[in-house]
Amino acid sequence: SQELEQSPQSLIVQEGKNLTINCTSSKTLYGLYWYKQKYGEGLIFLMMLQKGGEEKSHEKITAKLDEKKQQSSLHITASQPSHAGIYLCGADWDNYGQNFVFGPGTRLSVLP
Amino acid sequence: DTGVSQDPRHKITKRGQNVTFRCDPISEHNRLYWYRQTLGQGPEFLTYFQNEAQLEKSRLLSDRFSAERPKGSFSTLEIQRTEQGDSAMYLCASSFRSLPQHFGDGTRLSIL
Repeated sequence: SQELEQSPQSLIVQEGKNLTINCTSSKTLYGLYWYKQKYGEGLIFLMMLQKGGEEKSHEKITAKLDEKKQQSSLHITASQPSHAGIYLCGADWDNYGQNFVFGPGTRLSVLP
Repeated sequence: DTGVSQDPRHKITKRGQNVTFRCDPISEHNRLYWYRQTLGQGPEFLTYFQNEAQLEKSRLLSDRFSAERPKGSFSTLEIQRTEQGDSAMYLCASSFRSLPQHFGDGTRLSIL
């Protein structure tokens, strides 16, 4: 079974719309990481969240980790075609990077 | 700033052949990770080095898989007697001490 679940599995939005992607853990996280991947390429690091209730923003992307550190959301404001790709959340279970797990990903398409 | 480099980008081979992939991490990074990613899934952790020491290898998929990092710099991942199910993207990542990990563009392996 997946230790990290993501929803939705895929998402198609019109350019300019806001959207949210969720990542849920089966256990408490030491850290939660968001990455973006374009088809056939490597992962690009977006943000890292470590404290319960923490929220970080970069350009039009905001990520938040809930107080219990078991759920994170990624919010994109005024989406653009450049936001299209696969968004992956990753979890560090032991704070040493030796037990790192990724969710299955959310595929985002942005229609111009 | 030189990122993580992986070679080759694509590898096509016949079933039963051995293949070796190379990863050059970011120069000051002491940790190096290997992942496998199949279509529609998030990356799956395989193994991890801190400098030249392989600290986690229990999740290598079978004894046909092995990895080395002889001088604590570049690393190689070898798959012996390849099988159809080995077809996937093999990703390398590096980090300095703790996370986040920075990923290369991967090697796509196709088994004929």
